[in-house]
Amino acid sequence: DADVTQTPRNRITKTGKRIMLECSQTKGHDRMYWYRQDPGLGLRLIYYSFDVKDINKGEISDGYSVSRQAQAKFSLSLESAIPNQTALYFCATTEPSTDTQYFGPGTRLTVL
Amino acid sequence: GQNIDQPTEMTATEGAIVQINCTYQTSGFNGLFWYQQHAGEAPTFLSYNVLDGLEEKGRFSSFLSRSKGYSYLLLKELQMKDSASYLCAIGTGANNLFFGTGTRLTVIP
Repeated sequence: DADVTQTPRNRITKTGKRIMLECSQTKGHDRMYWYRQDPGLGLRLIYYSFDVKDINKGEISDGYSVSRQAQAKFSLSLESAIPNQTALYFCATTEPSTDTQYFGPGTRLTVL
Repeated sequence: GQNIDQPTEMTATEGAIVQINCTYQTSGFNGLFWYQQHAGEAPTFLSYNVLDGLEEKGRFSSFLSRSKGYSYLLLKELQMKDSASYLCAIGTGANNLFFGTGTRLTVIP
């Protein structure tokens, strides 16, 4: 079984809709991250969480919110989706003794 | 702030050796990472350098010079399956990583 899972894997939605992307991990890591990836722009950090009571904004948090429901679960929400949020979204966890990050399989989101 | 420069694209021949360079500027440094990412898939961890020098892992090696803000990833005996993007990333010291935009490597027969 995969250590970091994401659901859904693909989603097409319309402008203005609320969308939630979910991430679960079995690695037992405290630290979790949400990134988006766009062609030519690389991975950009949206939000990160160091434990269930700690939420931090990343480089591009506007238009997004997160919830850390448990150590193993970290959800990303788009309150009112817009077309420029069309991207590939990755969840990741961090190995505590180094900064090595382990990524989920990604969610491809299309906003029409 | 942070900045990473790496070539956008490279092409190499099957069986050959290729070196992908990465230069960086950062105010906090906690290691240099290389990830491999096949199109549409998740990045996967390849290597981690925190001290100067060469780290070898099978066909892949990674080098770091902290004083020069420079790293490279060396891929030997290239295989077709090595066609992928290679992401250079720096640990910023807050358990966060800052990623470069990646180098797309195409291996040709």
